[in-house]
Amino acid sequence: QVTLKESGPGILQPSQTLSLTCTFSGFSLSTYGMGVGWIRQPSGKGLEWLANIWWDDDKYYNPSLKNRLTISKDTSNNQAFLKITNVDTADTATYYCARAYYGYPYWGQGVMVTVSS
Amino acid sequence: DIVMTQSPTSMSISVGDRVTMNCKASQNVGSNVDWYQQKTGQSPKLLIYKASNRYTGVPDRFTGSGSGTDFTFTISNMQAEDLAVYYCMQSNSYPFTFGSGTKLEIK
Repeated sequence: QVTLKESGPGILQPSQTLSLTCTFSGFSLSTYGMGVGWIRQPSGKGLEWLANIWWDDDKYYNPSLKNRLTISKDTSNNQAFLKITNVDTADTATYYCARAYYGYPYWGQGVMVTVSS
Repeated sequence: DIVMTQSPTSMSISVGDRVTMNCKASQNVGSNVDWYQQKTGQSPKLLIYKASNRYTGVPDRFTGSGSGTDFTFTISNMQAEDLAVYYCMQSNSYPFTFGSGTKLEIK
């Protein structure tokens, strides 16, 4: 059974760094073809793809976030991470991690992040 | 970036209706389009991958078609449980991009 769960700070201030963790089970990020993606959704709005990391450590980012993103993984502990530097109020959203393999067939429940002074 | 133009933005439908929505890509994305369903307060759920492949366990009233730049998603016999927002997403090239969504509402 595949599960994913996101965790994060809940609230942070502008200019801080947002650190998100995706803890998953039921698959391994060392398996050929597997990946994890991060997607976010401001309240009441649409979905925005942020980044993917693959089993071979290939990484892809959304350039609209202008080099503020860093994705990484800890294969031994079945975790993936996303950092967003220099956050502002526009980064307030629900952040999802999802398993990447022929689309995103498995998603976490999402974690709400609020950026506020 | 590839822009996915999704239409219509919303639809008022009745149970039993046939529902069709579209996504148009700003450039050729092959068959690399997925369709997701998102119910209120829930995470998105993959229904269709690579334009026309129904994901495991998805009812056969959901179908997808298309290639290149034009894609269609159809619910053949709308059920009350299908009320949701539906999104297309292209995974042909990075950054992956989503359509703006089609919201289904009861007439």
